[in-house]
Amino acid sequence: DTGVSQNPRHKITKRGQNVTFRCDPISEHNRLYWYRQTLGQGPEFLTYFQNEAQLEKSRLLSDRFSAERPKGSFSTLEIQRTEQGDSAMYLCASSPGTGGGETQYFGPGTRLLVL
Amino acid sequence: GEDVEQSLFLSVREGDSSVINCTYTDSSSTYLYWYKQEPGAGLQLLTYIFSNMDMKQDQRLTVLLNKKDKHLSLRIADTQTGDSAIYFCAERYNQGGKLIFGQGTELSVKP
Repeated sequence: DTGVSQNPRHKITKRGQNVTFRCDPISEHNRLYWYRQTLGQGPEFLTYFQNEAQLEKSRLLSDRFSAERPKGSFSTLEIQRTEQGDSAMYLCASSPGTGGGETQYFGPGTRLLVL
Repeated sequence: GEDVEQSLFLSVREGDSSVINCTYTDSSSTYLYWYKQEPGAGLQLLTYIFSNMDMKQDQRLTVLLNKKDKHLSLRIADTQTGDSAIYFCAERYNQGGKLIFGQGTELSVKP
């Protein structure tokens, strides 16, 4: 297993366009987390899944953001009608979940630039 | 409230020890973590400590936890130029397991 993977690694888009990012967690990890990191700051929590259930969403996640994990494996994060303020690194992490350990392992991130 | 604070910069000479400090607010946190981030990359887990421990050592890394003062530190012995990076302290929020990160400490190691 090569760890958490994210695609694409970089995305440049124009304001108002929709973008979708994908995260593939470590195999058999039940929990999957999305974070956002802006320049000079630490990552901020956006949302997380236990298997396919989305259990918590941050107030940072406006109604333009939606995340899914349809089969409890990979997850997608979609941003509709992007704004310049959405420019950031979007990080995905996974952990084994309850009974299997809580440590979160991060992917390389998707860097989004909204022009 | 949820808040983790770190000093922003630390500069040391190669071979010296580095100590990066962090304070947190959630006294119910069960795990505290240190992650390393190199430019343009994701976060690499360095080490973590369970809240009922005072100290954890892992090769060149030593983590000290003062739960009374909600203070966490990471000591890197024999710091190398390859240790230059941003180091993030994070507390695991008890409900749901999300991590609350500090702003990061940029470590610069000079030869």
